[in-house]
Amino acid sequence: GAGVSQTPSNKVTEKGKYVELRCDPISGHTALYWYRQSLGQGPEFLIYFQGTGAADDSGLPNDRFFAVRPEGSVSTLKIQRTERGDSAVYLCASSLGSGQPQHFGDGTRLSIL
Amino acid sequence: KNEVEQSPQNLTAQEGEFITINCSYSVGISALHWLQQHPGGGIVSLFMLSSGKKKHGRLIATINIQEKHSSLHITASHPRDSAVYICAVTGNSGGSNYKLTFGKGTLLTVNP
Repeated sequence: GAGVSQTPSNKVTEKGKYVELRCDPISGHTALYWYRQSLGQGPEFLIYFQGTGAADDSGLPNDRFFAVRPEGSVSTLKIQRTERGDSAVYLCASSLGSGQPQHFGDGTRLSIL
Repeated sequence: KNEVEQSPQNLTAQEGEFITINCSYSVGISALHWLQQHPGGGIVSLFMLSSGKKKHGRLIATINIQEKHSSLHITASHPRDSAVYICAVTGNSGGSNYKLTFGKGTLLTVNP
């Protein structure tokens, strides 16, 4: 069956621009997670959705980062006024519910010039 | 916050060798995960365990809750096993059983 799909796979943009990263979870998975992975590091938690609501957004680094999941399926991570330090691989995962095994997408590699 | 440490950071082996990757964590957990990441970013979940031992093919994962330590073993290693192996844990307090805290990963290279 279809896994977690993330688009685009690569995004290159200039400092100061706005970007949107999309995640399409596995059908029926109510839980959705965003992580950020910098070069040579393990992923770091950004935000967790249960259904349509952000149950935990404590990992978002600052108010330039925002994520939505309006219909409880597809999620969009939005970054305003991008900075070079935002360059990383952004990973999305979904699971049947909280505490269940998470299934990861292939990530979006974001490069800020 | 849980600290997750993996060793070694890099590991090079010859095809057929038995491989062990270690993971330790600092605070009690609800579960420990072993994940595999190939170049290009995709992450695959290998194991999720909270006690004892699990086996899948040539992969074996063990956990010792009292010692806060887990190991991932690969028997009869093969070049296709070359990847980054990541240990991650989920907490057991305050409803935090969803939030993965990751180690930095172990880069495994298996030479033919």
